[in-house]
Amino acid sequence: AQKVTQAQTEISVVEKEDVTLDCVYETRDTTYYLFWYKQPPSGELVFLIRRNSFDEQNEISGRYSWNFQKSTSSFNFTITASQVVDSAVYFCALSERGTGNQFYFGTGTSLTVIP
Amino acid sequence: ETGVTQTPRHLVMGMTNKKSLKCEQHLGHNAMYWYKQSAKKPLELMFVYSLEERVENNSVPSRFSPECPNSSHLFLHLHTLQPEDSALYLCASSQITSGRYNEQFFGPGTRLTVL
Repeated sequence: AQKVTQAQTEISVVEKEDVTLDCVYETRDTTYYLFWYKQPPSGELVFLIRRNSFDEQNEISGRYSWNFQKSTSSFNFTITASQVVDSAVYFCALSERGTGNQFYFGTGTSLTVIP
Repeated sequence: ETGVTQTPRHLVMGMTNKKSLKCEQHLGHNAMYWYKQSAKKPLELMFVYSLEERVENNSVPSRFSPECPNSSHLFLHLHTLQPEDSALYLCASSQITSGRYNEQFFGPGTRLTVL
């Protein structure tokens, strides 16, 4: 079974719109970490955020914000006032303390911001 | 130079060729990873090296052979590949501390095409 599910394969928004990328994860571990990465057309995955399972505080960084809810096993990512430079594929990932160094990535959400 | 670098960026090879992919990290990390990224599929973890010892080998065919001569360098030796091995191969590094799995930093990838 997929440990990280990103149900949205592709999303298109018009510049300045807000957009939320969904991520649902599955784990039985009590200690785990969640991540978001951005992959622009150049190919390199860029780390955006890490959140551990004991910290449910939402985080805001500029136009980016993350909503972590253990009750629904979700770690959603919102971009406010989207820009063309936000166009990329976004990956959510899970790392469990019990399974060593394994990172489980979702299939990614391709975001296109139309000018 | 900083971050994680990979060479070559693009590689086209025949099924009978032997080639190697190179990865170098300048972040002082103690773990390195090889991933395969195919279209519409999650990133597949291939190999993990921690303190220069291979700790993960996720059922990767023997035609892929990793080598980690030191904590900063990682190679992926390729021989007698198949067309389905065409993909983006990503290298990553991270700092593994006791009981904690930090974010992985990725290189730009090598786009491999097998004819």
